[in-house]
Amino acid sequence: KAGVTQTPRYLIKTRGQQVTLSCSPISGHRSVSWYQQTPGQGLQFLFEYFSETQRNKGNFPGRFSGRQFSNSRSEMNVSTLELGDSALYLCASSAAGTGAYEQYFGPGTRLTVT
Amino acid sequence: GQQLNQSPQSMFIQEGEDVSMNCTSSSIFNTWLWYKQEPGEGPVLLIALYKAGELTSNGRLTAQFGITRKDSFLNISASIPSDVGIYFCAGHAEYSGNTGKLIFGQGTTLQVKP
Repeated sequence: KAGVTQTPRYLIKTRGQQVTLSCSPISGHRSVSWYQQTPGQGLQFLFEYFSETQRNKGNFPGRFSGRQFSNSRSEMNVSTLELGDSALYLCASSAAGTGAYEQYFGPGTRLTVT
Repeated sequence: GQQLNQSPQSMFIQEGEDVSMNCTSSSIFNTWLWYKQEPGEGPVLLIALYKAGELTSNGRLTAQFGITRKDSFLNISASIPSDVGIYFCAGHAEYSGNTGKLIFGQGTTLQVKP
């Protein structure tokens, strides 16, 4: 089975721009969670989608949004980028219908904001 | 953001030595997970624990779900150079609305001297 894939792997953007990141979960997995990883804050939960619905959301500003498609692929969008948004963005998929259970991570998208 | 207390922060050991790391929380978790992350990659799931007191092994790795449900331990026996990486604990608390969200420790950086 193919693992979680994320595109692009690297991205450089300028302050004020917006960005869209993509995640394809493991085949059959319907839950997709997104995390931001930084040296200072570690891994922080952004949001989780299941069956095209956002079921849970972390403590991030409204500039961070996401969506999920009928094939379970997910995208996250960050608008009006700030320097502090530079981070590794990870998505993880899970087969569980409820709860977090075992999450499998993709390689991440490294976003640099200049 | 919320994090688990993971210790030690880093370890530099000789090949062949055993390694222990632990994670504590002020609140109860229903699931404990251990991940390993290598440079440029996403975290890889090593072990998942679902019951208080549970002891689970994966090759040279052994993890335990603490009786109080507020802690977990990971042991690596007979370390080898490819064990190098950052090890993260993660927990999930099962309550209404808390789907897909893992809380992570700060990580333990392991270096192994051949």
